Amino acid sequence: DGGITQSPKYLFRKEGQNVTLSCEQNLNHDAMYWYRQDPGQGLRLIYYSQIVNDFQKGDIAEGYSVSREKKESFPLTVTSAQKNPTAFYLCASSLPGQLNTEAFFGQGTRLTVV
Amino acid sequence: QQQVKQSPQSLIVQKGGISIINCAYENTAFDYFPWYQQFPGKGPALLIAIRPDVSEKKEGRFTISFNKSAKQFSLHIMDSQPGDSATYFCAASLSGYSTLTFGKGTMLLVSP
Repeated sequence: DGGITQSPKYLFRKEGQNVTLSCEQNLNHDAMYWYRQDPGQGLRLIYYSQIVNDFQKGDIAEGYSVSREKKESFPLTVTSAQKNPTAFYLCASSLPGQLNTEAFFGQGTRLTVV
Repeated sequence: QQQVKQSPQSLIVQKGGISIINCAYENTAFDYFPWYQQFPGKGPALLIAIRPDVSEKKEGRFTISFNKSAKQFSLHIMDSQPGDSATYFCAASLSGYSTLTFGKGTMLLVSP
């Protein structure tokens, strides 16, 4: 089965801790994305990567970091600099440069600060 | 600056009725307009999409209407069913540059 796997599904973070959210895809997609979802705010882009070893900041990158060492993997680290990290985090992938730029989403990770 | 404005925020429709969700965009260079459906605790999934060379696209009970001059597009759900209860997001992007800009979402409840 092809798809995007996010783990863990639920994550709890203490104040001042860094946490890393995993995202793996076996769709052979070049582009991968991280979105943050808050109630009533829609999906806001954190980071995206269109090719291995390259990534760009999205609209709300402050307090987050990413890496793209492999085509299949795009982990997101929520650092202690992110002051309000409690949210639902969604990873997505797509084939850029095609007429059909459908983005496929994972099932999300819900992060809560305790 | 919000580039895609979506309304209403929430919508209650009776079973069998028509659900209508509207979106307006600002960037005239956008040329791909998808709608995503999201159930609670799940990731969004593509429902239907349109490009500006057509004014309407229908897939089953779901129709997108597109008005290029007004920079607006809308989702119509005919014969709405309780199973359609979900949050719907409109989005827009540029071909070849695939970052999607999303609206804030509409929570649809179809009452039995």
